[in-house]
Amino acid sequence: DAKTTQPTSMDCAEGRAANLPCNHSTISGNEYVYWYRQIHSQGPQYIIHGLKNNETNEMASLIITEDRKSSTLILPHATLRDTAVYYCIVRGGVLNYGGSQGNLIFGKGTKLSVKP
Amino acid sequence: DAGVIQSPRHEVTEMGQEVTLRCKPISGHDYLFWYRQTMMRGLELLIYFNNNVPIDDSGMPEDRFSAKMPNASFSTLKIQPSEPRDSAVYFCASSLGLAGGSYYNEQFFGPGTRLTVL
Repeated sequence: DAKTTQPTSMDCAEGRAANLPCNHSTISGNEYVYWYRQIHSQGPQYIIHGLKNNETNEMASLIITEDRKSSTLILPHATLRDTAVYYCIVRGGVLNYGGSQGNLIFGKGTKLSVKP
Repeated sequence: DAGVIQSPRHEVTEMGQEVTLRCKPISGHDYLFWYRQTMMRGLELLIYFNNNVPIDDSGMPEDRFSAKMPNASFSTLKIQPSEPRDSAVYFCASSLGLAGGSYYNEQFFGPGTRLTVL
């Protein structure tokens, strides 16, 4: 089962920041928070991941709370092409590698609709 | 690199027929994954390989499903006999490694095969 909780859907105005929340209250110390997205009729696409610190790349920013029980994915200037389902995933890291801990377990995700 | 390649992109077949889905992973990737996506169950892992060896097939629904990886550049997922409830989008993904945390272990997904069993 997915170890994360996300809102089912969200709307965002084009050009505005999209803030997608995720709860992962049972995350363990060596597990990472990953974000993938799936644009309609395409395969999932990696966005960003983090352990403790906030992370930023060319696609998005990831803000992880100090207790690591929740995080927020930020798309700073959403465009229509960002309309997709966004998945927050808790994934085992190198230190607890073995078995299926490194696998991606997808939940229902958040359907983000960016509107003109 | 062309990314993960899957064929066919669409498959329509009748119940009872054999279906074979194909995947070519990204060159150099040691891990290959097969996923299935339906409206009811979402995206679920069926099986994955490491260096052509099946490691975990606990997600394979039943004996009608089988997967092989005869070499590092090719894998098949076969359903025999197919049933209407097998209708779904099947994704193949590949990665350099399995554990989270490393930027090198990201899974790259193919475009998927949409299977319809009538």
